[in-house]
Amino acid sequence: TQLLEQSPQFLSIQEGENLTVYCNSSSVFSSLQWYRQEPGEGPVLLVTVVTGGEVKKLKRLTFQFGDARKDSSLHITAAQPGDTGLYLCAGQEGGANNLFFGTGTRLTVIP
Amino acid sequence: GAGVSQSPSNKVTEKGKDVELRCDPISGHTALYWYRQSLGQGLEFLIYFQGNSAPDKSGLPSDRFSAERTGGSVSTLTIQRTQQEDSAVYLCASSKDRSYGYTFGSGTRLTVV
Repeated sequence: TQLLEQSPQFLSIQEGENLTVYCNSSSVFSSLQWYRQEPGEGPVLLVTVVTGGEVKKLKRLTFQFGDARKDSSLHITAAQPGDTGLYLCAGQEGGANNLFFGTGTRLTVIP
Repeated sequence: GAGVSQSPSNKVTEKGKDVELRCDPISGHTALYWYRQSLGQGLEFLIYFQGNSAPDKSGLPSDRFSAERTGGSVSTLTIQRTQQEDSAVYLCASSKDRSYGYTFGSGTRLTVV
């Protein structure tokens, strides 16, 4: 069973603050994805990273894939209440049929 | 359709009864996945369908769980003789193939009482 550990598990910050969420594993992944899930909804894909060391920016969100393709981080600049949700990383091993999902980070941004 | 549609959105059933959960994937998406999300837990893979190939059932937790996909489109997840530990949100997702990101439905919240 693959294990993708995310930290922190819970995060509560004030609007305007910056934050970083981490996703770590002992496994090597061919690609890694980040999703955000809001209550009562399914997860929504934010980004896919495939190359070790890759950095992708999506407005105020910056995603990084570790050089060894075992870990990833999500950095949010100037957080807004609309960023509130459950953030999930998910990795795909080469040859695997499915994504393995991380344990999740529940973010609350207080206005 | 425009998105992945799941029904029902909520289901309350008595222990020991059978339930069927339905998923309508995005048209043209050949890959379809079922996951389970329990309170405080991450997403647990259940089963994967790709086109007309034999499904990957490696994530099904017991033989009470089964799924089918008819005509490469609609899928039904069946849970027989439901137990309280089956209570969870069952999520369906589809993608163009296994290398692409998933589009999830809103899920079916199953409560076994």
